[in-house]
Amino acid sequence: AQSVAQPEDQVNVAEGNPLTVKCTYSVSGNPYLFWYVQYPNRGLQFLLKYITGDNLVKGSYGFEAEFNKSQTSFHLKKPSALVSDSALYFCAVHTNFNKFYFGSGTKLNVKP
Amino acid sequence: EAQVTQNPRYLITVTGKKLTVTCSQNMNHEYMSWYRQDPGLGLRQIYYSMNVEVTDKGDVPEGYKVSRKEKRNFPLILESPSPNQTSLYFCASSSPNPGRSSGANVLTFGAGSRLTVL
Repeated sequence: AQSVAQPEDQVNVAEGNPLTVKCTYSVSGNPYLFWYVQYPNRGLQFLLKYITGDNLVKGSYGFEAEFNKSQTSFHLKKPSALVSDSALYFCAVHTNFNKFYFGSGTKLNVKP
Repeated sequence: EAQVTQNPRYLITVTGKKLTVTCSQNMNHEYMSWYRQDPGLGLRQIYYSMNVEVTDKGDVPEGYKVSRKEKRNFPLILESPSPNQTSLYFCASSSPNPGRSSGANVLTFGAGSRLTVL
């Protein structure tokens, strides 16, 4: 069965510190990988994606993600967190069959 | 402004009373899809559509219907809602169809429709 796992319900980090939000996946074939962010009472917004090529992908608002094929992981990172980064983050996988699978979400709390 | 519009944003209804959640996009996207968001489960795909008159089931299609008679509209129909369909629903679109090019696949989401079935 296809699945996406975000093992942490919540991540707490101090402003200015680096942050990591973890994602692992289990799908057949070579999936496309995404990160989306959701602010309160809003729809999801695209952050970045991995299709092929360099394992380190850079996206919006200073976020980046590292693809690791052997570990089937796609962790989201940012060198220096901002309070405004506090939100709900979703990892997603798109399969060859035009279906999308999302993780359960990780709430990021950045404290001043 | 390029956007996906869902209506209603909030709805409280009773078991068995048919309802429709509308979704419209103004970006001429081919691909449209519906998701439900539940705590601890993330988003799960209900149905998707590759183009007009082409729809297919996602992971959790039971209790839902969709139609795609026009490219811009993709309504979600609950023929006989039940309490376990209480959820936050999102419509999303993308162009071209996912997988056709590296520039594709990015979903644009609506603001969400919070549905409560009593």
